[in-house]
Amino acid sequence: GQQLNQSPQSMFIQEGEDVSMNCTSSSIFNTWLWYKQDPGEGPVLLIALYKAGELTSNGRLTAQFGITRKDSFLNISASIPSDVGIYFCAGNIQGAQKLVFGQGTRLTINP
Amino acid sequence: DAGVIQSPRHEVTEMGQEVTLRCKPISGHDYLFWYRQTMMRGLELLIYFNNNVPIDDSGMPEDRFSAKMPNASFSTLKIQPSEPRDSAVYFCASRAGSAYGYTFGSGTRLTVV
Repeated sequence: GQQLNQSPQSMFIQEGEDVSMNCTSSSIFNTWLWYKQDPGEGPVLLIALYKAGELTSNGRLTAQFGITRKDSFLNISASIPSDVGIYFCAGNIQGAQKLVFGQGTRLTINP
Repeated sequence: DAGVIQSPRHEVTEMGQEVTLRCKPISGHDYLFWYRQTMMRGLELLIYFNNNVPIDDSGMPEDRFSAKMPNASFSTLKIQPSEPRDSAVYFCASRAGSAYGYTFGSGTRLTVV
């Protein structure tokens, strides 16, 4: 099946630093999504991308749908303590109804 | 909107017992997904329904797992008999047909001892 490679697996940063994480796929994806999961909760959708090259922002978060349609990145600017959590990329190929999820990036912030 | 509601939040059971996890999707959402999350395997899709009909159950680990959706507002995931390796967090998610982003429930943390 489709595989998503998400990196890095974990990040330890200082409050105020910028964060960057990315996902690559062996297949061409029709949609890229970024989710955040807080401890004890389900993933929550942050940003959805639908077109190759699309760059979308949500507050301090910015995500892009790669031109090749096989990759996406998520940037977080000026990190704050509530950004702590696990970030997942997800996507689906054309015509598929189910999402494939990356392995997640665990973000830890030192105050 | 109450979101996707799952119950129970935590379940501890003995090996060999039957376990039933429950999910109420968001009203009007016609897709429902069951995922399992473990440290080793991440988020795995078990099964999904469209308009209450199971569409893809290829992720169901084995015959001990079964899922039903008797109506648009309720779904169950049953494990019988349960085994320690079934310990995980089970998530239900739903979405409207026109959107790609799922809304997840808070999950059920299952521990089989």
